[in-house]
Amino acid sequence: DAGVIQSPRHEVTEMGQEVTLRCKPISGHNSLFWYRQTMMRGLELLIYFNNNVPIDDSGMPEDRFSAKMPNASFSTLKIQPSEPRDSAVYFCATRGWGSSYNEQFFGPGTRLTVL
Amino acid sequence: AQTVTQSQPEMSVQEAETVTLSCTYDTSESDYYLFWYKQPPSRQMILVIRQEAYKQQNATENRFSVNFQKAAKSFSLKISDSQLGDAAMYFCAYRSLAGNNRKLIWGLGTSLAVNP
Repeated sequence: DAGVIQSPRHEVTEMGQEVTLRCKPISGHNSLFWYRQTMMRGLELLIYFNNNVPIDDSGMPEDRFSAKMPNASFSTLKIQPSEPRDSAVYFCATRGWGSSYNEQFFGPGTRLTVL
Repeated sequence: AQTVTQSQPEMSVQEAETVTLSCTYDTSESDYYLFWYKQPPSRQMILVIRQEAYKQQNATENRFSVNFQKAAKSFSLKISDSQLGDAAMYFCAYRSLAGNNRKLIWGLGTSLAVNP
């Protein structure tokens, strides 16, 4: 298995532009998590899905952020419009069912820089 | 609400020596999971070790072991025979088993330096 796949790995954009981050979960995993990591705030959970349904989006900072999971093999995190304070590393993580699968498997992250 | 505290922002160890990273948590639940994740400079988050709260035996994975003290709500990570490749950020995380909760509660991390 290729693991959790995220794209792009790096994104540099200008303030005001729309940014879309993508995640492909591990096949068979039914929980998907979007995290943001910064030096100041550490690792923050933004939103998570179970079976493609958003369960908890309380970590989404503002209406500028939105996430979708149209099917079991794809999710997006969109920021529109982007601001410099959105600069961070964004991780996608997934988890499967069963007692053997309680850990989350992380993607490599997307480093976002908003100028 | 549950919280996870890592009181050591930075630690250092000499190569081949042993180091212990501390983690404490707060919960009113009796059944849960605890994890240690490693994040090297590559940024990849890697699971190091996990512990089920109902198990009294401390988890061990090669050079990594935990000291799980349920009554004290402590979950420290011991790295034996430290290697240069162990240098990374280490995160402690808690997961409730109550209801349908899938979230991990994270500590702020401990940055570990390994000196040659």
